[in-house]
Amino acid sequence: GENVEQHPSTLSVQEGDSAVIKCTYSDSASNYFPWYKQELGKGPQLIIDIRSNVGEKKDQRIAVTLNKTAKHFSLHITETQPEDSAVYFCAAIINTNAGKSTFGDGTTLTVKP
Amino acid sequence: KAGVTQTPRYLIKTRGQQVTLSCSPISGHRSVSWYQQTPGQGLQFLFEYFSETQRNKGNFPGRFSGRQFSNSRSEMNVSTLELGDSALYLCASSRQGALSIQETQYFGPGTRLLVL
Repeated sequence: GENVEQHPSTLSVQEGDSAVIKCTYSDSASNYFPWYKQELGKGPQLIIDIRSNVGEKKDQRIAVTLNKTAKHFSLHITETQPEDSAVYFCAAIINTNAGKSTFGDGTTLTVKP
Repeated sequence: KAGVTQTPRYLIKTRGQQVTLSCSPISGHRSVSWYQQTPGQGLQFLFEYFSETQRNKGNFPGRFSGRQFSNSRSEMNVSTLELGDSALYLCASSRQGALSIQETQYFGPGTRLLVL
């Protein structure tokens, strides 16, 4: 089955700096890679996703890049704000396993004002 | 459009009891997946239901079971509760579960289960 590794487990940045979180996956059949933000007491919320026919996707301050050859993808947050502080999860989905996501272990991002 | 709802939000049980959690997906969504979230194991897939049938199953013991009704609402049941079952149980829905093609999976707020 799929295995997803996520780094770092904790990340602390100053407000206004950029934050980068990286994930690697094991199964080359994976072709959908969402990123979720989870705030305390809430369920994960999708913030951006990328499908394997695309190398990069951007949505305002958030961007995701995908390197299929190396089997890794990254989340980039620019101009970080204190409200970006949360736990971020990456996930990988194999086409044949509809409805089943394999998650990384999460990154706790702290943005210091 | 209402999001995914889960009831109850909090639950306290004792070892050996059983528990039933409920999930109502977004209207029009037919795929419902369940996940267990713990500090030590992260987010782990339990099972997925689509059109009242279990379509995918994770690596959990048979004490964990689920079902889906004709209106796509889903329940999961845990029998003979153990201390280690304490966790946040999340459900997520999507239209067909075709996440890799074009769909997005939306999560509910979760049910926090504490087993004493």
